[in-house]
Amino acid sequence: EVQVVESGGALVQPGGSLKLSCAASGFTFSNFWMTWVRQAPGKGLEWVANIKKDGSEKFYVDSVKGRFTISRDNAKNSLYLQMNSLRVEDTAVYYCARDDPGYGDTPDVWGKGTTVTVSS
Amino acid sequence: DIQMTQSPSTLSASVGDRVTITCRASQSINSWLAWYQQKPGKAPNLLIYKATSLKSGVPSRFGGSGSGTDFTLTISSLQPDDFATYYCQQYNSYSLYTFGQGTKVEIK
Repeated sequence: EVQVVESGGALVQPGGSLKLSCAASGFTFSNFWMTWVRQAPGKGLEWVANIKKDGSEKFYVDSVKGRFTISRDNAKNSLYLQMNSLRVEDTAVYYCARDDPGYGDTPDVWGKGTTVTVSS
Repeated sequence: DIQMTQSPSTLSASVGDRVTITCRASQSINSWLAWYQQKPGKAPNLLIYKATSLKSGVPSRFGGSGSGTDFTLTISSLQPDDFATYYCQQYNSYSLYTFGQGTKVEIK
């Protein structure tokens, strides 16, 4: 079964750091771009970042540039999101997703999400 | 950055109704538009890609149209399972994607 499973969400204080992980299975991880999308409580979806198959290119939404780092380990079939200098407005459910070239490179396979709460 | 504007924000409809949701891009995105359905507490589910292509397994009552800056998602006959929030997403800007703000389809 093709799936991705996020982990690492937690309650963290403003200014703190957190690293999210996404474990992929059921497909050849190194063949796909991967994406992080977040959703604040009661709000819409926000694309956060994505990363090329070999990790050589990374792109971020402006609001997280310089604070978040996306990375991957193809040997471990894993995607990561290192989040530093966290702000209250980073509170959200964070989804990991696979960009599928069969669907025009839009995210197709999604995890169930992991919750990050930034609060003092 | 490309902005995506969806309308309406909320839509009240009855089972069997034809429903139309629109999405406008701030600049041309050719046909690089997707539509997602999301139910409370769940991850989004891809319905339409490349503006008009139906993902395999998605019911044929869902349809997408448009190109350039103006796009439409149509549900030809609303079913009970379709009450959800719908999002458009552009993926024209190289690896810089943007979602619309969402349209909640409610029971009338």
